[in-house]
Amino acid sequence: GNSVTQMEGPVTLSEEAFLTINCTYTATGYPSLFWYVQYPGEGLQLLLKATKADDKGSNKGFEATYRKETTSFHLEKGSVQVSDSAVYFCALPKTSYDKVIFGPGTSLSVIP
Amino acid sequence: NAGVTQTPKFRILKIGQSMTLQCAQDMNHNYMYWYRQDPGMGLKLIYYSVGAGITDKGEVPNGYNVSRSTTEDFPLRLELAAPSQTSVYFCASRASGQNTGELFFGEGSRLTVL
Repeated sequence: GNSVTQMEGPVTLSEEAFLTINCTYTATGYPSLFWYVQYPGEGLQLLLKATKADDKGSNKGFEATYRKETTSFHLEKGSVQVSDSAVYFCALPKTSYDKVIFGPGTSLSVIP
Repeated sequence: NAGVTQTPKFRILKIGQSMTLQCAQDMNHNYMYWYRQDPGMGLKLIYYSVGAGITDKGEVPNGYNVSRSTTEDFPLRLELAAPSQTSVYFCASRASGQNTGELFFGEGSRLTVL
């Protein structure tokens, strides 16, 4: 089945710094790819997604591009805010869309 | 719009006790899931269901049971609680169809087994 690898955290950045969280995947075909975010004390929520190769997903200033050549889906934001402090998960379907698998999560702390 | 509702939010159990974590969704989603989240380990799938009356095991089903008698509800049962089941449990749901992998999560249930 498909699998996902995500950079280890925790990551600590100053406000307005540039953020990159790496995600690479192994998959049969070209499944949709997702980034989820978990704010403290809450459940996960979808941040952005890309449904086919070369697609760019974006939301709340975050972007990720589905790159089939490098099998990557790195999350980026040009200027992080304190409110972006959360855990970020890369995800994709395991084999079919019945099951979704998640990376281990990357904890981000943004300090003023 | 309630979305996915989990109860209880917190629970402490003694070893060997039983309990049921409740999950309900009001979005008419066919697919429902139970995950557990352990520190630094991401989410592990316990059980899932593709519709009422149909359930299947995920990666870590041992020690748990589920049922799906209605589209709305997907309770998770722990029969003989063990310290290894101390975790945060998340219920999630999603709509049917290709390319609709977006999961909607509840707020989680934090379980401690002592």
